[in-house]
Amino acid sequence: QVQLQESGPRLVKPSESLSLTCTVSGNSMTSGYYWVWIRQPPGRGLEWIGTVYHTGSAYYNPSLKTRLTESVDPSKKKFSLKLNSVTAADTAVYFCARFTMGGQIGHYYFDLWGQGTLVTVSS
Amino acid sequence: EIVLTQSPATLSLSPGERATLSCRASETFSSNYLAWYQQKPAQAPRLLIYSTSNRATGIPDRFSGSGSGTDFTLTISRLEPEDFAVYFCQHYSPSPPTWTFGQGTKVEIK
Repeated sequence: QVQLQESGPRLVKPSESLSLTCTVSGNSMTSGYYWVWIRQPPGRGLEWIGTVYHTGSAYYNPSLKTRLTESVDPSKKKFSLKLNSVTAADTAVYFCARFTMGGQIGHYYFDLWGQGTLVTVSS
Repeated sequence: EIVLTQSPATLSLSPGERATLSCRASETFSSNYLAWYQQKPAQAPRLLIYSTSNRATGIPDRFSGSGSGTDFTLTISRLEPEDFAVYFCQHYSPSPPTWTFGQGTKVEIK
């Protein structure tokens, strides 16, 4: 059974960098999936942060693009994000998720999520 | 960038009642790119419906999705106690790959 688990610091100081890693267990990071970061500020909705493919191709939310870097290491079954120059507005629960792409049928959806990790930006 | 607007923000209903949740998009897109998720407190979202109208594995048939173009609907035919939660619609655009979510509809016990 494939599972995702986020890891990283829970408290980050303003102006510093937020770094998180998602570990994929139970299966390899094969083609046909995007590996995605999503966040949710307390009491609010979901925001797409960015996405990596197993080849290393990355796609970022334009509103975060200048501060964001994502990477993937399929051999270690991990993907990561680094968000620079954080402020209190970056306080949120950060989820990693797997997005299934189409295949022959043409369906697209998030079928697997990590449990989420609350990252607080505060001095 | 497509914007998804969900309504109402909150739906107050009793168990056994029918819930109708709306997701309206700022532009037309393929129905294959619209999914619905349920989220309970302190949990990750759970896939309910994909490609507008296909139930995910293990999802009860009281959940159904419909729509096309810019207007999409999630219907819960008879609310069970475990259905009181927040529901999000989500769109995927392939070129370039981007993902957007609606702001959510909270279904609460009346």
